[in-house]
Formats: sequence, structure tokens, C-alpha cells
Amino acid sequence: QSVLTQPRSVSGSPGQSVTISCIGITSDVGGYDYVSWYQQHPGKAPKIMIYDANKRPSGVPDRFSGSKSGNTASLTISGLQAEDEADYYCCSYAGSYTPYVFGTGTKVTVL
Amino acid sequence: QVQLQESGPGLVEPSGTLSLTCAVSGGSMRSFNWWSWVRQSPGKGLEWIGEIYHSGSTNYNPSLKSRVTISVDKSKNQFSLKLSSVTAADTAVYFCARGGPDGMDVWGQGTTVTVSS
Repeated sequence: QSVLTQPRSVSGSPGQSVTISCIGITSDVGGYDYVSWYQQHPGKAPKIMIYDANKRPSGVPDRFSGSKSGNTASLTISGLQAEDEADYYCCSYAGSYTPYVFGTGTKVTVL
Repeated sequence: QVQLQESGPGLVEPSGTLSLTCAVSGGSMRSFNWWSWVRQSPGKGLEWIGEIYHSGSTNYNPSLKSRVTISVDKSKNQFSLKLSSVTAADTAVYFCARGGPDGMDVWGQGTTVTVSS
């Protein structure tokens, strides 16, 4: 089972924007629009931030946005805030044989 | 709203079987399609283990498939995970979650399982 590739870390100052990439292949990210993004603070359960590549669940701030092009999905945090400092994971549907694959995870640091 | 709570032994001996249960409250499992197990080894990323449809159909991570069984008890509104022949590599925080291809929108708080003698 493949793992989606994310940068190990990204950082930005408050108010800035950061973008996290999630690189897959044609049988996962490239084959479906079923990409989701999760925020995880230390010792906590993951929280869904984006689903279906670019949709935001109710209650998630609109400074979080998602996109997808080809085999790469992206999460952008605009107007970075201190509480956004966390680990972020992408996840893609990958078909009936291996339904879900997670990304390697990205630590976002607010400077 | 729907809440999930994992429960089970925190310590399992090597070569034994890890058994966890996820209790669903605030709603019926029948009202949503897919229910998953995800784990996170210490300091590592998330790993999808498998899922069960409320009717009982299952899908598993191929890398764990030979050792994993996920089942549902609709009368108790809960689903369970069994992982056999465990080793230290199975030490992790285990999460249950509600979700399908659209994403996992409700998660349990997680339970730590250590494999050690």
C-alpha cells in the first residue's frame, strides 16, 4: 500500500499563508476526488478540515481551503493563527482493494 | 451528536490478540454507512486498518489483512477490532472513526495499546 507524500514541515508567521502538498498516484489522489485533510494537535484525535478535495465541514474556518490537480492535492491555510500549529494529514480513497491511504504528515509551525 | 468511545486492554502480550470495541452514542450505526479503525504508532503517522459497513461488509488494509477482523454488533450499537499475532510493531494509539470516501468526520479519543510481556 502506497503512502501519500507530504513535506515534513512548513512554517509561517501569523497572518501569512502556508500550503501543504499531498502527492499520490493515479490510483489514489489522481483517480478520485475523495481527498480529505485532518488536523491533529498533540495527544488529540484527528479532526477533519477538508473533504472531497475542496469542501469544508461545518464549523471549520474558511481560512482553510483545499484543491487538487492531477496526482497532487493541496491544503492552504490563509491568515495563519497560533491555534493552527498542529500536524496535518491528507487521506485519499484508493479503490475497493485498498480503500484508504494516508499521507506522511506535515508539522505546521506558527513562528 | 454522534460520539465514539474506544475501550479494551491497554497491554497485550506478544503473539496474542488485540481486541478493542468502539461504542457509538448519540445516533444509530444504521444511519451512516462506514465505520473505520485507524492507528498511530508512537511518533508516527496515521495508518488505516480497515472498515465495516453497517450491514457487516468489510474492507481491510492489505498489509494487515491476514491478521485483522472487524465486526459489528448492531444490538449494542458498537463495532470491534481484533488483531492477531501482535508484535511490538503493533504498539500504537488506536482510533475508531465514522466515515467513508467523503472522509472520517467523527473520531473517538483514541486508546493506547502496548504490546509487551
